[in-house]
Amino acid sequence: DQQVKQNSPSLSVQEGRISILNCDYTNSMFDYFLWYKKYPAEGPTFLISISSIKDKNEDGRFTVFLNKSAKHLSLHIVPSQPGDSAVYFCAAKASGGSNYKLTFGKGTLLTVNP
Amino acid sequence: DAGVTQSPTHLIKTRGQQVTLRCSPISGHKSVSWYQQVLGQGPQFIFQYYEKEERGRGNFPDRFSARQFPNYSSELNVNALLLGDSALYLCASSITGDSNQPQHFGDGTRLSIL
Repeated sequence: DQQVKQNSPSLSVQEGRISILNCDYTNSMFDYFLWYKKYPAEGPTFLISISSIKDKNEDGRFTVFLNKSAKHLSLHIVPSQPGDSAVYFCAAKASGGSNYKLTFGKGTLLTVNP
Repeated sequence: DAGVTQSPTHLIKTRGQQVTLRCSPISGHKSVSWYQQVLGQGPQFIFQYYEKEERGRGNFPDRFSARQFPNYSSELNVNALLLGDSALYLCASSITGDSNQPQHFGDGTRLSIL
């Protein structure tokens, strides 16, 4: 049973436009959410995170929005650049006894076209 | 500062063999986590160690074991290798591992089983 779902395997956008990557979760115990970017032959690189007490967190071109009632979060990249082309993983951490592990989605391949 | 380092980068083994993967965390990080990523999936949690003690274990068989050393580096051991163990093995470190802080990943060890 997949607790973190990224339903879009791929997304293609034009350079300079907005990229919106979506993530849904089912576990109500998740209280901390992260986005990672992964290039081929490299490990995941941390991008941005958000705690469940917030609904928005911004860092430069990257903004993460959290809708707890819908169990949905999204990553906005504005403006998109060709170097942003990578696989993006949504991850979540639960509160309580299993607060040490990250649960990942399957990832979304973002392609930014020049 | 050096990031998380993993060795070797690539490894080829045959079924039934045993393998040891190594990880050095970011300086000052006391927690190390191991993840398995198979093609087309997100990373799956295997273990977390903190202060040389196992804090948590994912849904992996007893063929998988790990340990953490006094310098906080870690080894992942897999015995009686199966074809299905072919994957990218990722190590992540964080300061304590159990609070709202990101885990930082190494570039992984690509394990191929023939």
